[in-house]
Amino acid sequence: DTAVSQTPKYLVTQMGNDKSIKCEQNLGHDTMYWYKQDSKKFLKIMFSYNNKELIINETVPNRFSPKSPDKAHLNLHINSLELGDSAVYFCASRGTFYEQYFGPGTRLTVT
Amino acid sequence: KQEVTQIPAALSVPEGENLVLNCSFTDSAIYNLQWFRQDPGKGLTSLLLIQSSQREQTSGRLNASLDKSSGRSTLYIAASQPGDSATYLCADRNQFYFGTGTSLTVIP
Repeated sequence: DTAVSQTPKYLVTQMGNDKSIKCEQNLGHDTMYWYKQDSKKFLKIMFSYNNKELIINETVPNRFSPKSPDKAHLNLHINSLELGDSAVYFCASRGTFYEQYFGPGTRLTVT
Repeated sequence: KQEVTQIPAALSVPEGENLVLNCSFTDSAIYNLQWFRQDPGKGLTSLLLIQSSQREQTSGRLNASLDKSSGRSTLYIAASQPGDSATYLCADRNQFYFGTGTSLTVIP
């Protein structure tokens, strides 16, 4: 069983569109994250969500909005996509002892 | 804000060699430091986690140490193998801050 899963794996879309990336974890963790990895492979946190408390990285544009329907899911919705949004987006969850588990990533390409 | 630097950015070694990867922090108030590996096109896999009260962790051929006074962590890989080829990243503060990564190639 996959611990942290993301869909879709690849997403190609045009500028101005709205898209969502889904994330699910079956580990029973309370804390989940979204990260962005740019073309230089630098990994940057976007959001952290812990038991209904959302911690937002202030550098993330408000076009990005996380949505958590329940503890096992943290989806990422992006409005008005821009070329600079092209990156790999990773979802992750964190266990009781702070160990972290990553999803396989979603490669977003904005044309 | 914590800034994390990893040196070297890239490393190529022959199989069997022991090697050390470095991670340094601008803020020595480090807690819950974690080392990961990332294979091309894949997500991150956790290797070792050093919690606030610990100084090192070991798993198989891997040993990670943390020196808060100098703001540094090292990952030691013994008897390297081609399968160790990957990018290695360190992260601090409950994975809020990631390093820039070290790309390791182990040559058979």
